[in-house]
Amino acid sequence: KAGVTQTPRYLIKTRGQQVTLSCSPISGHRSVSWYQQTPGQGLQFLFEYFSETQRNKGNFPGRFSGRQFSNSRSEMNVSTLELGDSALYLCASSSGLAGGPYEQYFGPGTRLTVT
Amino acid sequence: AQTVTQSQPEMSVQEAETVTLSCTYDTSESDYYLFWYKQPPSRQMILVIRQEAYKQQNATENRFSVNFQKAAKSFSLKISDSQLGDAAMYFCAYRSGGAGSYQLTFGKGTKLSVIP
Repeated sequence: KAGVTQTPRYLIKTRGQQVTLSCSPISGHRSVSWYQQTPGQGLQFLFEYFSETQRNKGNFPGRFSGRQFSNSRSEMNVSTLELGDSALYLCASSSGLAGGPYEQYFGPGTRLTVT
Repeated sequence: AQTVTQSQPEMSVQEAETVTLSCTYDTSESDYYLFWYKQPPSRQMILVIRQEAYKQQNATENRFSVNFQKAAKSFSLKISDSQLGDAAMYFCAYRSGGAGSYQLTFGKGTKLSVIP
């Protein structure tokens, strides 16, 4: 099976702009979670989508949003970018089912730099 | 809210030796899952091993094993016969056993160096 893919891998944006990141999960997986990784805050949960519905959300401002399509692909959007949004954004794929399996598989990440 | 603590920011081990990475967590739940992830310099997060809280038997995956102490809320990772490719950041992660979400809570990580 192909792994989790994320596009683009690298991105440079200017403060005030918006950005959209994409994640394609492993075939058959219905849950996609997004995480932000920074040196200072570590890995923080952004949100999780399951069957096109946001199932859980972390403690991030409303500038961070996401969605999931019927084929389970997910996008996250950050509007009005701030310097502090510079981070590695990781997407994780899992079955999402109540009975498991519970492992989450991560994509290679998108490195976002805000200048 | 659950918290995960990794008290060793950095560790080193000689090639072929054994090293143990520590992790403690705080939760009021009785049903949960614990994971160790490895993040090499390529930044790709790789699942190393998982443990279900309801299982008393410690999980093992080849050279990787855990010491799960539920009462002490401790979940350490032992790497045997360390190899150069084991050099990476290691993250301990917690997932609630509830059916509603697959959210992971991570520790700050331990950077492992392997000395040839």
